Amino acid sequence: GENVEQHPSTLSVQEGDSAVIKCTYSDSASNYFPWYKQELGKGPQLIIDIRSNVGEKKDQRIAVTLNKTAKHFSLHITETQPEDSAVYFCASKLSFGAGTTVTVRA
Amino acid sequence: KAGVTQTPRYLIKTRGQQVTLSCSPISGHRSVSWYQQTPGQGLQFLFEYFSETQRNKGNFPGRFSGRQFSNSRSEMNVSTLELGDSALYLCASSLEFSANEKLFFGSGTQLSVL
Repeated sequence: GENVEQHPSTLSVQEGDSAVIKCTYSDSASNYFPWYKQELGKGPQLIIDIRSNVGEKKDQRIAVTLNKTAKHFSLHITETQPEDSAVYFCASKLSFGAGTTVTVRA
Repeated sequence: KAGVTQTPRYLIKTRGQQVTLSCSPISGHRSVSWYQQTPGQGLQFLFEYFSETQRNKGNFPGRFSGRQFSNSRSEMNVSTLELGDSALYLCASSLEFSANEKLFFGSGTQLSVL
């Protein structure tokens, strides 16, 4: 089955700075890579996704990049704001990364 | 459009009991998948149902089971509860098979086994 590894496990950034979270996957046949954001007391919410025929996708302050050769994909959050504080998960083929707790310091 | 609804929100059971959790997907979604979330193991896939048939199953013992009804609503059951079953159980719905689709999660059922 698919194995997804996510780093770092925690990330603290100053408001306005950028945050980057990286994930690697094992199954070369995987072709859909979503990112989810989970706030306290809520279920994960999809924030952005990318399919294997695209190398990068951007939606306002968030972007995802995919390197199929190296089998890794990354989430980039620019101009971080306090509301970006949450746990972020990457996923591939029903497997989720361990999560990254992002804290944005005011 | 209503989101994914999970009931109950909280549940307290004792070891050896059984429990049934319910999930109503977004209208029009045909796939329902279930996940167990714990601080130590993260989000782990339990199983997925599509058109009332189990399509995928994670690495959990047979005490964990589920079903899907003709209206796409789903239930999962855990029999002979163990302390280690304490977790947040999340349900997610998607239009088609969940591996290559956007998942829409409910808020989960927090199960505590005493």
